[in-house]
Amino acid sequence: KNEVEQSPQNLTAQEGEFITINCSYSVGISALHWLQQHPGGGIVSLFMLSSGKKKHGRLIATINIQEKHSSLHITASHPRDSAVYICAVRTLGNQFYFGTGTSLTVIP
Amino acid sequence: KAGVTQTPRYLIKTRGQQVTLSCSPISGHRSVSWYQQTPGQGLQFLFEYFSETQRNKGNFPGRFSGRQFSNSRSEMNVSTLELGDSALYLCASSPRDWAAYEQYFGPGTRLTVT
Repeated sequence: KNEVEQSPQNLTAQEGEFITINCSYSVGISALHWLQQHPGGGIVSLFMLSSGKKKHGRLIATINIQEKHSSLHITASHPRDSAVYICAVRTLGNQFYFGTGTSLTVIP
Repeated sequence: KAGVTQTPRYLIKTRGQQVTLSCSPISGHRSVSWYQQTPGQGLQFLFEYFSETQRNKGNFPGRFSGRQFSNSRSEMNVSTLELGDSALYLCASSPRDWAAYEQYFGPGTRLTVT
């Protein structure tokens, strides 16, 4: 059983579409991170959440601690958003777990 | 500020050998974490160091070890390499700890064990 589950695994969208990636976890956490990984391996941390909602430009991340669920939204998607998006959690016991990632392709 | 740097970027080793990878965090960052990424297992946590102390360790065998120096630079060592150790090894730094701050990732070291 994976402590962190992401859906969907793969996602193809037309440029301009609204995109949602979901992350569910089964453990108590102190923080949840959304990461973006482009081909070639480089990882960028998009958001760190412990409650509520955060917004950076066209990206919005929300977390519901009671439901153990987080979502990453991309508004007005663009081909440069094509990447793998990974949900990662730090548990209350200081362990780290990662989702398997969502591969997003945005078609012009 | 310069980003997180990792050396070497690419490495080919033979089974049974040992390897040392280096990570230099962003200036002023005191926390360094290491991760292994493989196609089969995805991202997995290896270690977390803060102010030269190992704070956490993932579920890896004792062949994997690490340390952090007084200037916050960190090294990880893998002894008696196995084919399954072939992976992208990433380090990340943050001002303090993972729970309170975002992580800044280095470009990774791609290790191939033959």
